[in-house]
Amino acid sequence: AQSVTQLGSHVSVSEGALVLLRCNYSSSVPPYLFWYVQYPNQGLQLLLKYTSAATLVKGINGFEAEFKKSETSFHLTKPSAHMSDAAEYFCAVTVGGFKTIFGAGTRLFVKA
Amino acid sequence: DAGVTQSPTHLIKTRGQQVTLRCSPKSGHDTVSWYQQALGQGPQFIFQYYEEEERQRGNFPDRFSGHQFPNYSSELNVNALLLGDSALYLCASSLTSGISYNEQFFGPGTRLTVL
Repeated sequence: AQSVTQLGSHVSVSEGALVLLRCNYSSSVPPYLFWYVQYPNQGLQLLLKYTSAATLVKGINGFEAEFKKSETSFHLTKPSAHMSDAAEYFCAVTVGGFKTIFGAGTRLFVKA
Repeated sequence: DAGVTQSPTHLIKTRGQQVTLRCSPKSGHDTVSWYQQALGQGPQFIFQYYEEEERQRGNFPDRFSGHQFPNYSSELNVNALLLGDSALYLCASSLTSGISYNEQFFGPGTRLTVL
């Protein structure tokens, strides 16, 4: 069965520091992987997606993620954090193009 | 181009009541999925509708039912509400095509509180 594990429910970084949010997945077939961001009282916004093309995926707002099959990981990074990056981030895997399974989320705090 | 819209924004019900939530998909989309997001958790897949039929269902009881209309809009119905049904309900739309991956666009959600 497919599953997603996000390591760390809370991550705190200083403004300008590297952001690293960890995601590991389990899938019996080649997965489609996603990162979404959710701001308070809002829906989900797609940051980036991996759909079996390039393993390094670039998304919006300077975020990128690397698909590593050998490690079953899809970690999200951003070289320099901005205060506006403070939000909840969800890693997700789509199963058979229909059902999407989300991780529990990681809340990112950015300190001035 | 309007994105995914949901109504109402907020809703308060009491235990045992029934509720209907509504979703209009993004223009050009024909598939609607519903998710339940409890406080502090990730969204959980409820079901997906395509061609007015439920195509796939998550691990939710039969109290949760849905409908898709010919114009692709959708409703989520929950009967016999429990306190544990309090959550943000998210609707996502996509376009079903020949490829297996279909990007989903999410609405802002309906916040349901059950007292």
